[in-house]
Amino acid sequence: GIQVEQSPPDLILQEGANSTLRCNFSDSVNNLQWFHQNPWGQLINLFYIPSGTKQNGRLSATTVATERYSLLYISSSQTTDSGVYFCAAAAYNFNKFYFGSGTKLNVKP
Amino acid sequence: GAVVSQHPSRVICKSGTSVKIECRSLDFQATTMFWYRQFPKKSLMLMATSNEGSKATYEQGVEKDKFLINHASLTLSTLTVTSAHPEDSSFYICSARNEDRGYEQYFGPGTRLTVT
Repeated sequence: GIQVEQSPPDLILQEGANSTLRCNFSDSVNNLQWFHQNPWGQLINLFYIPSGTKQNGRLSATTVATERYSLLYISSSQTTDSGVYFCAAAAYNFNKFYFGSGTKLNVKP
Repeated sequence: GAVVSQHPSRVICKSGTSVKIECRSLDFQATTMFWYRQFPKKSLMLMATSNEGSKATYEQGVEKDKFLINHASLTLSTLTVTSAHPEDSSFYICSARNEDRGYEQYFGPGTRLTVT
């Protein structure tokens, strides 16, 4: 199956700072998604981005499919951005969605 | 759009009993549903993939007789944990998608199972 690696595993920011989270994957993908898991466990869809760039408010994401990585940018971070961010990907040949190990973000006031 | 619900959100059961968890796509038809398991402070692990009207495909190491999955309709899939034991305690999350709309998956809020 596809290997999905995220970095960094942990990130501590001061409120207002910017950050970049990275997701590397080992095969060509037909699906790549970024999620924020809230304290109650709900996975919030942030981006569906198998390729290209998207922006939604303070968040943006870029996937460079040919180089097999995706980046999630958080600008002007807020304490409510704290939580675990997961990327997950599915390769063209498989029907399975593999999750990275997550980045735990802690934004301090 | 694309809302997925799970019921119950939290369940406590005694060892040896069976527990059923429901996953529903509320505003779209789900051609495929997925079941995941998440251990504390860990990532999500795919357990099985189910398509409406056909048998589920289980991942390696997941006991199909232990975790019964039924995808009865295009909006409902159920996971039954049979003869539950404390080691089955976990957070179970389902997701759904409609391939006619693309490959994006939509996740339910999860069910926390505690087996005593």
